[in-house]
Amino acid sequence: DAKTTQPTSMDCAEGRAANLPCNHSTISGNEYVYWYRQIHSQGPQYIIHGLKNNETNEMASLIITEDRKSSTLILPHATLRDTAVYYCIAFNAGNNRKLIWGLGTSLGVNP
Amino acid sequence: NAGVMQNPRHLVRRRGQEARLRCSPMKGHSHVYWYRQLPEEGLKFMVYLQKENIIDESGMPKERFSAEFPKEGPSILRIQQVVRGDSAAYFCASSPARLAGRQGLVETQYFGPGTRLLVL
Repeated sequence: DAKTTQPTSMDCAEGRAANLPCNHSTISGNEYVYWYRQIHSQGPQYIIHGLKNNETNEMASLIITEDRKSSTLILPHATLRDTAVYYCIAFNAGNNRKLIWGLGTSLGVNP
Repeated sequence: NAGVMQNPRHLVRRRGQEARLRCSPMKGHSHVYWYRQLPEEGLKFMVYLQKENIIDESGMPKERFSAEFPKEGPSILRIQQVVRGDSAAYFCASSPARLAGRQGLVETQYFGPGTRLLVL
């Protein structure tokens, strides 16, 4: 599985967009980009995933560069409840179904 | 539509005792995964099971740990003769069988709330 790199921490003002970057320069063609978040002491929560195209759902948008070497998760209007650790994972949808977790980005949303 | 359920949420054991952690997958999901999270660390894959089969246990310690997902009932992660180093949060995830979606094959894993094991 491709390794991903993310900034250790970021801050965002409440009500503003939070843009969380992720580098996955060694991603292979059959690996999806998945985003999860973990609010303190809770189980990881699925946010969004994509392969090549940009994706949007009720929680967030995912922008993947054309060469697929990096992506950005966008929370359009961050709230205090979005304070969490955000994990970007390159996931192979084949037989190897392990999610390989890094340390993620700790997002602080400030009032 | 209930999500992944885990119990107990908190478990305290003394060294040498056994710990049994249960996971009920989401309705319609036939694949279960167990992950462990040590304090201040990311999650680490332990084992992947389908009904009555262990598919990948490469992340599970060779001794004292076992997992099962019987035909009926929840998946069980068992830790025998617990030691202090087993203290961690144990998360279960489930996914449906591989589905063909708009983006091709997709197998999103959905997580339960976890069991926090404390070994005294």
